[in-house]
Amino acid sequence: AQSVTQLDSQVPVFEEAPVELRCNYSSSVSVYLFWYVQYPNQGLQLLLKYLSGSTLVESINGFEAEFNKSQTSFHLRKPSVHISDTAEYFCAVSDTGNQGGKLIFGQGTELSVKP
Amino acid sequence: DAGVTQSPTHLIKTRGQQVTLRCSPKSGHDTVSWYQQALGQGPQFIFQYYEEEERQRGNFPDRFSGHQFPNYSSELNVNALLLGDSALYLCASKGYGLSYEQYFGPGTRLTVT
Repeated sequence: AQSVTQLDSQVPVFEEAPVELRCNYSSSVSVYLFWYVQYPNQGLQLLLKYLSGSTLVESINGFEAEFNKSQTSFHLRKPSVHISDTAEYFCAVSDTGNQGGKLIFGQGTELSVKP
Repeated sequence: DAGVTQSPTHLIKTRGQQVTLRCSPKSGHDTVSWYQQALGQGPQFIFQYYEEEERQRGNFPDRFSGHQFPNYSSELNVNALLLGDSALYLCASKGYGLSYEQYFGPGTRLTVT
């Protein structure tokens, strides 16, 4: 069975400060890893994904995440956050043999950026 | 290019009633998944449909059933509603084959009283 743990339920941070949202997973098989963002009253948007290759993946809006197989982690980072980054962030895994099927999500981390 | 659409946006039902939620996938997508997101929780996988068949199912009771139509749209049906079924129901679609990027709709907020 697979599971995802997001270590912080809420992360308050000031604008232009760096931030790290932590994600650990447990799985007996190889996984693909994802970060999704959910703005208030909206669905989920894919922020970035790790499928294979370089363990550091980046999004177009300045977020990055690094896959660490030995620590089974996929932490999300941004060097300088904006007010508009305020949202709920979800880490998710999918079995590589699943052919794009079931996603298993963590509980979410609420990022609150203050001026 | 329309993304994933869901209807209705909000719904209020009474315990014991039945409900049907609808989803239209993103243009060009043929696979639809449904997720339940309780308040303050991450989404939980209900099931996935491809070629009008249920391909995968999560840990949900038989009260939850679905259907996919030839145009790839999908319905989620929940019978004998319980208070605990109150949640945001999300639909996600993806393209054919080994595509791992799932696109989510805005969801349907179901409240059971």
